[in-house]
Amino acid sequence: DQQVKQNSPSLSVQEGRISILNCDYTNSMFDYFLWYKKYPAEGPTFLISISSIKDKNEDGRFTVFLNKSAKHLSLHIVPSQPGDSAVYFCAASASFGNEKLTFGTGTRLTIIP
Amino acid sequence: DSGVTQTPKHLITATGQRVTLRCSPRSGDLSVYWYQQSLDQGLQFLIQYYNGEERAKGNILERFSAQQFPDLHSELNLSSLELGDSALYFCASSVGGVERETQYFGPGTRLLVL
Repeated sequence: DQQVKQNSPSLSVQEGRISILNCDYTNSMFDYFLWYKKYPAEGPTFLISISSIKDKNEDGRFTVFLNKSAKHLSLHIVPSQPGDSAVYFCAASASFGNEKLTFGTGTRLTIIP
Repeated sequence: DSGVTQTPKHLITATGQRVTLRCSPRSGDLSVYWYQQSLDQGLQFLIQYYNGEERAKGNILERFSAQQFPDLHSELNLSSLELGDSALYFCASSVGGVERETQYFGPGTRLLVL
């Protein structure tokens, strides 16, 4: 039962353009969503998060959008840079007392110079 | 550098053996989480400790156990190892006791069971 889904295993984007990574979830108890970036042979690195009380959160080149009614979130990276090439994981957690993260299977983003 | 450390980085062992993976959380963090990432899979939650006590359990096998010590470091013990236990094992930590926390991950231990 995959409660967090990233349906695109890979994505290629030209340097300088916008990268959009998508994530869908099924569990309506999730109220906190995070994006992690992972390079080979390293642990996931936290990028940005959003609480269910917001529909947008921005941090520099990274913006996360949350559509609760559609149970969908997306990560926008603009402009995309070669160093952004990595695997991106979407993760979700439910309310206090149940902080475990449920992860998607990841999207491999390749930025083409 | 997340501030979470894990040892060893790599571990090669045989079926039937037992191994211990170690994790030191970020300074001040009370919660420690263990996750398993098998080939081409997302990270799967195994277990969480908060200030020395088990707080939540995921799909952790009975052959696996964990504990968190008074100095807050944690160990994950894997016994009667099988080929399918080969995976990356990540530890994460968070402040603990607050809502909507961010978990910070260590570099992982790559376990290969032959």
